[in-house]
This record gives sequence, C-alpha cells and structure tokens, in this order.
Amino acid sequence: DAGVIQSPRHEVTEMGQEVTLRCKPISGHNSLFWYRQTMMRGLELLIYFNNNVPIDDSGMPEDRFSAKMPNASFSTLKIQPSEPRDSAVYFCASSLEHRGNYGYTFGSGTRLTVV
Amino acid sequence: LAKTTQPISMDSYEGQEVNITCSHNNIATNDYITWYQQFPSQGPRFIIQGYKTKVTNEVASLFIPADRKSSTLSLPRVSLSDTAVYYCLVGPGGKAAGNKLTFGGGTRVLVKP
Repeated sequence: DAGVIQSPRHEVTEMGQEVTLRCKPISGHNSLFWYRQTMMRGLELLIYFNNNVPIDDSGMPEDRFSAKMPNASFSTLKIQPSEPRDSAVYFCASSLEHRGNYGYTFGSGTRLTVV
Repeated sequence: LAKTTQPISMDSYEGQEVNITCSHNNIATNDYITWYQQFPSQGPRFIIQGYKTKVTNEVASLFIPADRKSSTLSLPRVSLSDTAVYYCLVGPGGKAAGNKLTFGGGTRVLVKP
C-alpha cells in the first residue's frame, strides 16, 4: 500500500490566489482528516469526513476554507482567496473508524507558502 | 476529550532509555492512550496504544498505572534517528462517534551522539 498520498508536496502562491490541496486516502479507510501544522499553533484538526460525509468542520478557520470528498478515494482542501497567514503544512490522514485512535495514517503533507 | 500534559523537550544520548511521562488526570473510562511520533517534514506516525497496565511492541513500551491518570512511553536504547516530537493523545477507542484526534504540543526529544 502506498499510504496516504498528498499533492503537491510544496506550493508557493501569491496572496489572493486560489489554492487546492489534494489527498488520496488508504484504500478501505472510511475516515479522512485534514490537519494544519504551524510553529505557533501546532497540529490543528480542520475537518474530518466519515464515509465521505463531513462530520465536524468546526476547526475550519473561516469561509475561505472549504473541503470536499466526492468519493472514497479523493478529497480536496481549497483556500480561496489565500492569505499569508495560511502558510503552514497541511496534513491529510485516514483511518478505519472501528479501530478508534489506533489506525490513523498521515500523509507527508503539503507545505503551503503564501507570499 | 481529556487534556494531556507532557514535557516540552528532553535530551538523551545514544543507547540510553528515554521515558516520557504524560499526565491525563481527566481520562474517561472509555478513553485509550495513544502515542504518535513525528519526524521533521513528515506526518505523525502511530507508535503505540494502550488502555491499562503495560503494552509493548517492537518500537516502544507503554506503562499505565492503575488509576490511568498518567502514562509513560519508554523508548529503549535510542539512536540518533529517534530524534522527533512525541505526542500523547487520549480519546475514545473502538467504534466511537466523533472519533477525532486532538494533538497537544508534544515532547521534542533530541538524541545526541
């Protein structure tokens, strides 16, 4: 298994541009999570899906952020318009719900820089 | 979710045993204790999970006292490659609704030659 695959690995964009981050979870996993990591705030949960349905998006910073999961093998996190304070590493993780905390697998992350 | 408290950083030397203690005074009956490891430029990686007493795998051991208000992750004979941030998490295990992981600040372990 290739694990959780995120793309791109690095993204540099100008303020005001739209940014789309992509994630392919592990086949068979039914929960997907988007996290953001910064030095100041650590790892923050943004949103998570269960069986492709968003369950909790309370961590999404504001309306500029949106996430979708059109099918079990793909999810996107979109920022429109992007701002310099959105610069961070964004991680996607997937798990099997019945395994509780045990089965989280993280991707390698997307390092986003907004200039 | 139960709040966790762990040291911000620890230094050690190659070949030594590293013990990281995490406090979780408000742990609930159905909560499990899980530890993750994060290397620079990588996502967190599951190390070990336990509910009570002792759990051991090829990477680490997890010691949980009877009152479960704390836990200790033990890394035997560390090497330079064990330099990482270690996170202690407490939350519902099994098939629990709203099963999401909340990370604290973690413990930054530096292994020196």
